[in-house]
Amino acid sequence: GAGVSQTPSNKVTEKGKYVELRCDPISGHTALYWYRQSLGQGPEFLIYFQGTGAADDSGLPNDRFFAVRPEGSVSTLKIQRTERGDSAVYLCASSFQPGIGETQYFGPGTRLLVL
Amino acid sequence: AQKVTQAQTEISVVEKEDVTLDCVYETRDTTYYLFWYKQPPSGELVFLIRRNSFDEQNEISGRYSWNFQKSTSSFNFTITASQVVDSAVYFCALLNSNSGYALNFGKGTSLLVTP
Repeated sequence: GAGVSQTPSNKVTEKGKYVELRCDPISGHTALYWYRQSLGQGPEFLIYFQGTGAADDSGLPNDRFFAVRPEGSVSTLKIQRTERGDSAVYLCASSFQPGIGETQYFGPGTRLLVL
Repeated sequence: AQKVTQAQTEISVVEKEDVTLDCVYETRDTTYYLFWYKQPPSGELVFLIRRNSFDEQNEISGRYSWNFQKSTSSFNFTITASQVVDSAVYFCALLNSNSGYALNFGKGTSLLVTP
């Protein structure tokens, strides 16, 4: 079956601009996660959705970052007033259901470059 | 505090050699899960294995094997008879109740297998 998909695969923007990154989870998966991976580092957690609601957004670095999942499937990560430090790979993952024993399956990521 | 340490930043081996990637973790929880993911140059994180804290049996899957030792808080990964296609960055990750549902990744080990 289809895995997690993310669009766009690459995004180049200018400092101060607004960007949206989209994630389409595996069909039937109720939990969705966003991570950010900087060069040479492991992914770092941003936010987790259970259904339509953000169950844990403790990893969002500041209020310029926001994510939604209005219908409990596709999610959009929104970054306002982008800064050069936001440049990274943004990874999305999904799991069949929430729970610490659940395996998270990752998408290919969106590479964001802020000039 | 919880932490995952992958002390080996880069490893280079010649094809057909065996190689072990080390992972040491810290957690105060008695219930936790450990994961290994592979990140090839394409960037997508590929799930390899999940192990819970109550199951210390070693696991073998083809050329891959995992050694989980609670006494040393380690979850090491061995590739037998390495192949060029094994070249990737490998991440060890920890999931426990303190982290909610956020995977806590190590910094990764970059493995290069040369012909």
